Amino acid sequence: DGGITQSPKYLFRKEGQNVTLSCEQNLNHDAMYWYRQDPGQGLRLIYYSQIVNDFQKGDIAEGYSVSREKKESFPLTVTSAQKNPTAFYLCASSIGQNTEAGFGQGTRLTVV
Amino acid sequence: GESVGLHLPTLSVQEGDNSIINCAYSNSASDYFIWYKQESGKGPQFIIDIRSNMDKRQGQRVTVLLNKTVKHLSLQIAATQPGDSAVYFCAESIQAGTALIFGKGTTLSVSS
Repeated sequence: DGGITQSPKYLFRKEGQNVTLSCEQNLNHDAMYWYRQDPGQGLRLIYYSQIVNDFQKGDIAEGYSVSREKKESFPLTVTSAQKNPTAFYLCASSIGQNTEAGFGQGTRLTVV
Repeated sequence: GESVGLHLPTLSVQEGDNSIINCAYSNSASDYFIWYKQESGKGPQFIIDIRSNMDKRQGQRVTVLLNKTVKHLSLQIAATQPGDSAVYFCAESIQAGTALIFGKGTTLSVSS
């Protein structure tokens, strides 16, 4: 099936640990995105990448890092510098800018 | 602050009624708009999109209206069904922009 796969669905992190959220797409999309969603809130952009080996910060990039070594993969690392990491994280991809973006099913990260 | 917002956080309708969800945007340079539907614990699903060279676009049971004069976007759902219950987000982007910018969402509740 074609689509965007995020894993794991649920993730628990101890304070001070780094964790990496996976996002893979087999749609041959050039652009990929990471958003964060807090309860009752909209989606806020963390990072995005338009092409392989290139990415830009979004509105809330502090405490996060990404890589784009392959077209189909855009992993997000939540570092210990992110003071309030508990949230629902959504990955998306699109053919290019200014086009429809499809979303994965999300990863719910909880700090314990 | 956010450039996209919705007028009402919640909307309750009876099954069979028509629903209208509104969204105001502030960036006059935005030229692409999307509506997404998000069910609890899932990623957003694409509903319909519209570009700034159009005023209206119709899909199956849904219509999006764009009023560039007052920077207003609306989603109309005909014959609303219980399965339409979800959070609805509008999002915008500009051709020279980066990624979709989302509003906070409207929760639509449909009662039988």
